[in-house]
Amino acid sequence: DVQLTQSPAFLSASVGDRVTITCRVSQGISSFLAWYQQKPGRGPKLLIYGASTLPFGVPPRFSGSGSGTEFTLTISSLQPEDFATYFCQQLNSFPLTFGGGTKVEIK
Amino acid sequence: EGQLVESGGNLVQPGRSLRLSCMASGFTFGDYVMSWVRQAPGKGLEWVGFSRNQARGGTTEYAASVKGRFTISRDDSKSIAYLQMNNLKTEDTAVYYCTRDVPFYYHGSPLPGWYFDLWGRGTLVTVSS
Repeated sequence: DVQLTQSPAFLSASVGDRVTITCRVSQGISSFLAWYQQKPGRGPKLLIYGASTLPFGVPPRFSGSGSGTEFTLTISSLQPEDFATYFCQQLNSFPLTFGGGTKVEIK
Repeated sequence: EGQLVESGGNLVQPGRSLRLSCMASGFTFGDYVMSWVRQAPGKGLEWVGFSRNQARGGTTEYAASVKGRFTISRDDSKSIAYLQMNNLKTEDTAVYYCTRDVPFYYHGSPLPGWYFDLWGRGTLVTVSS
């Protein structure tokens, strides 16, 4: 199975900060990666697919980059509604697998 | 845009069975592949399985942890996906989410990757004696 390792697991930041989350993958997956945001008590929400494509309606302060085995999710200016947990997911092969998550908390 | 609503979660004893339902609205259900993803309390996300729509052959894929115990089916006429869970174990305790899946092709890849563009709010399954 393809393993995904996210870092950091926890991140404390302030409104307006630039935040970067990393997802490292155990084997090359080209651009077959997605990112999700999850808030307490709710299902996850798609933020990015294809490593860097934002679905309609996702604010442009979110961006994704990377290819192969290392990917990043960047929030350019953290907003109050961005405090949540973020997960990466590989699309490349079955079983579809997720990273362990990064919880972004208010500093 | 669409909506997914899961139901059927409950407290059940180990070894028993349970069926979850996922009712879809706001999109043409039969055009989409659907998955189930679960999340144990305080833990990360685990993909459970996947049901291809008829146009893609109507077949299924499962995670090794549930293969042989769980079965995904769908009724396109009712826009409902099901997750039949048999021989439940305590480690199956989780919130179960239904997802709508979208194919992703990159630079002529022969097979698509799959990501989840719509999620329900989930239904809680607790397996305990």
